[in-house]
Amino acid sequence: QKEVEQNSGPLSVPEGAIASLNCTYSDRGSQSFFWYRQYSGKSPELIMSIYSNGDKEDGRFTAQLNKASQYVSLLIRDSQPSDSATYLCAVNGGTGNQFYFGTGTSLTVIP
Amino acid sequence: GAVVSQHPSRVICKSGTSVKIECRSLDFQATTMFWYRQFPKQSLMLMATSNEGSKATYEQGVEKDKFLINHASLTLSTLTVTSAHPEDSSFYICSARDHLKGGGDTQYFGPGTRLTVL
Repeated sequence: QKEVEQNSGPLSVPEGAIASLNCTYSDRGSQSFFWYRQYSGKSPELIMSIYSNGDKEDGRFTAQLNKASQYVSLLIRDSQPSDSATYLCAVNGGTGNQFYFGTGTSLTVIP
Repeated sequence: GAVVSQHPSRVICKSGTSVKIECRSLDFQATTMFWYRQFPKQSLMLMATSNEGSKATYEQGVEKDKFLINHASLTLSTLTVTSAHPEDSSFYICSARDHLKGGGDTQYFGPGTRLTVL
């Protein structure tokens, strides 16, 4: 079992819709959760972090964390073509304070 | 967020030569940096963890004698690809670990170095 699992996609949504990206993790002791965005040919960029159960909103982005279910998600409202990228979920703070990345979900927003 | 730079951004070299890539944390000190490699349309692959003042920890299958890592200061780590061959052509990305005010750590990535070995 991988430490962090994501659906690789591709996920396609029409412009203006809500894109929902999901991630599960295996280490119940994990403390910190992150979403990175990676455009094609570029390096990952940190866009959201979340530490507590519930929702955290930042502009059009909302991160959701459910530690009991070991599940973290990212919602992108009013999706734009510029949101088309690969989104990486990352988890930190569990056993050995290791960092683990998912393999990423490819999102395409169709104009 | 914190800024991490990488140099060079792009390098083309002949087979058999060595290439050095620098990774710098510009506005914070990083005791730990990471080196990743990414092939086209594939996910990040962690190569090694670079610790300031000590030897790097390499992931399984990564040759430490081929990929030399030096983390001589709290703001600089270097990766040297020795005797590069065409199969080493890839996108090399570093990241630096930073402590967050709210607790915990995160990683900030450099812009990456695209290596092409002819």
